[in-house]
Amino acid sequence: GAVVSQHPSWVICKSGTSVKIECRSLDFQATTMFWYRQFPKQSLMLMATSNEGSKATYEQGVEKDKFLINHASLTLSTLTVTSAHPEDSSFYICSAGSSSYNEQFFGPGTRLTVL
Amino acid sequence: KQEVTQIPAALSVPEGENLVLNCSFTDSAIYNLQWFRQDPGKGLTSLLLIQSSQREQTSGRLNASLDKSSGRSTLYIAASQPGDSATYLCAADGYNKLIFGAGTRLAVHP
Repeated sequence: GAVVSQHPSWVICKSGTSVKIECRSLDFQATTMFWYRQFPKQSLMLMATSNEGSKATYEQGVEKDKFLINHASLTLSTLTVTSAHPEDSSFYICSAGSSSYNEQFFGPGTRLTVL
Repeated sequence: KQEVTQIPAALSVPEGENLVLNCSFTDSAIYNLQWFRQDPGKGLTSLLLIQSSQREQTSGRLNASLDKSSGRSTLYIAASQPGDSATYLCAADGYNKLIFGAGTRLAVHP
């Protein structure tokens, strides 16, 4: 089956610093990758959609200058949370899709805690 | 704008009971409907995916149905076990854009 990994699985950082989260499709080429955010006891909310080699499309209310997304290859997308603040503390989950599949495959998530 | 609602928000049952989890969506123009399981602090495990042309899908003790015209899907869990305790999420796929419900937190006690 299609496997998606995320790194790191958890990270703690100080307020004002930037944090990069990697999302990799291990056994298929992901033409599209998605980034979701999940606050405690809430559901997943789509933040942005990225296609390889193109700029990401952000959902309404998501600051593109704060959440930088790079999808430079068919197996790797990165999300950088810039100038992180405690309210950015959340569970970030990526997913990947391709024309070969009719569904998205999810990574295990990254727990971000900003002190 | 697609909205997905799940009822009930939480459910606690004794082991062995058959369960029905409900999911409703406002826009019937979906590509597919997917059910996931999420354990505390973990990512998502895909359980069942029903394409828009299908009525139901089955996997082991799980059966999911889809009625696009009424905007409803149900997840049926037969003979529940303590290991089924988790949050169950449904998501409507509007052509590569998944909209999730808030989930049903299920606790199955021995």
